[in-house]
Amino acid sequence: DIQMTQSPSSLSESIGDRVTITCRASQGISNSLAWYQQKPGKAPKLVLYAASRLESGVPSRFSGSGSGTDYTLTISSLQPEDFATYYCQQYYTIPFTFGPGTKVHIK
Amino acid sequence: EVQLVESGGGLVQPGGSLRLSCAASGFTFSTYWMHWVRQAPGKGLVWVSRIYSDESSTNYADSVKGRFIISRDNTKNTLYLQMNSLRDEDTAVYYCARVQNSGWPLDAFDIWGPGTMVTVSS
Repeated sequence: DIQMTQSPSSLSESIGDRVTITCRASQGISNSLAWYQQKPGKAPKLVLYAASRLESGVPSRFSGSGSGTDYTLTISSLQPEDFATYYCQQYYTIPFTFGPGTKVHIK
Repeated sequence: EVQLVESGGGLVQPGGSLRLSCAASGFTFSTYWMHWVRQAPGKGLVWVSRIYSDESSTNYADSVKGRFIISRDNTKNTLYLQMNSLRDEDTAVYYCARVQNSGWPLDAFDIWGPGTMVTVSS
């Protein structure tokens, strides 16, 4: 199975800050990488897919990059509605696997 | 509106069984791979199973293989997860999810249901 790791596991940031979350796969996944946002008590919401493609309706302050095994999610200017937990997921092969999550707190 | 809604969760004793349902609407259900994902309380997301549009292909996580069965009824636009021999560690919110593109086996999940809670406890 492909193992996914994320860093940091949590971070505290202020409104307007730039935030970067890193995701690493245990083997190359050819950009088959998605990012999800989850708020407490809610289902995950797709933010980015194919490593860098923005899901319809997601604000352009979200962006993604990376290749091979290393990927990043960047929020250019953190907004109040962005405080949530973010998960990366590889869909390169079965079993699909998720990273452990990064919780973004308000500083 | 494209929508998924799970049902069937509840409290069950260890060793018991439960069948979850996921009702789909607003899209051509019969053409999409469908998945189940679970999340234990306070923990992360874990992929459980997937099924091809015509049920000819299914896959399972090792942790549920031999105990869970995924199926679908395209005439009712409904996905199922039959869970047998339940264990404490199966306690979780169970989500059904749709892949983004019709017919694509390896794809991100763009539509999720709100989830249904399964509690395994004596």
